[in-house]
Amino acid sequence: SQTIHQWPATLVQPVGSPLSLECTVEGTSNPNLYWYRQAAGRGLQLLFYSVGIGQISSEVPQNLSASRPQDRQFILSSKKLLLSDSGFYLCAWSVGLAGNQPQHFGDGTRLSIL
Amino acid sequence: AQKITQTQPGMFVQEKEAVTLDCTYDTSDPSYGLFWYKQPSSGEMIFLIYQGSYDQQNATEGRYSLNFQKARKSANLVISASQLGDSAMYFCAMREGQDTGNQFYFGTGTSLTVIP
Repeated sequence: SQTIHQWPATLVQPVGSPLSLECTVEGTSNPNLYWYRQAAGRGLQLLFYSVGIGQISSEVPQNLSASRPQDRQFILSSKKLLLSDSGFYLCAWSVGLAGNQPQHFGDGTRLSIL
Repeated sequence: AQKITQTQPGMFVQEKEAVTLDCTYDTSDPSYGLFWYKQPSSGEMIFLIYQGSYDQQNATEGRYSLNFQKARKSANLVISASQLGDSAMYFCAMREGQDTGNQFYFGTGTSLTVIP
């Protein structure tokens, strides 16, 4: 069966520090991968999605970036964090070519910027 | 225009009663999928139910059913016999296209509180 791992679960970082959040999927190949951010009590904001290795689409201009160095690995990064980067970050995957398949989410990372 | 609209920020329901959470969508693509997710306070997103645009019957999964009204572009989630564990945020989502729908569009969510 497929599983998705996202870490760390919580992170406290000072303003201006770098960031690296990692997400890996097991049990499937060539998945679509997604990074979302959710502010407290709000909906999901799509940050990036990827349909293959090295292919990244950005939905919101910001100081974050994403990379997909391997088929089942998706990394969210920042060189310098801002206070506004605080939030709950969710990684998700879906089957690439099946419209009736849902997205499956990781457990999320709670990021607090001090 | 918003792809997914959830107009109820918060809902309350008595335990064991049924509740309907509203969702309307906007698309010109004839092929699309509609999804409902539950997000408890712990944060994980749990997939509940799916409805395809070509499905003739409303989807059901246990106590969850989807009231799909295609002409009105609505896909309301019905939870029957509410339980205390149903208290959570609920998100409606849509994926356009049969084979190339890479993006999922989410609504802003509805917070459901089940009252004992």
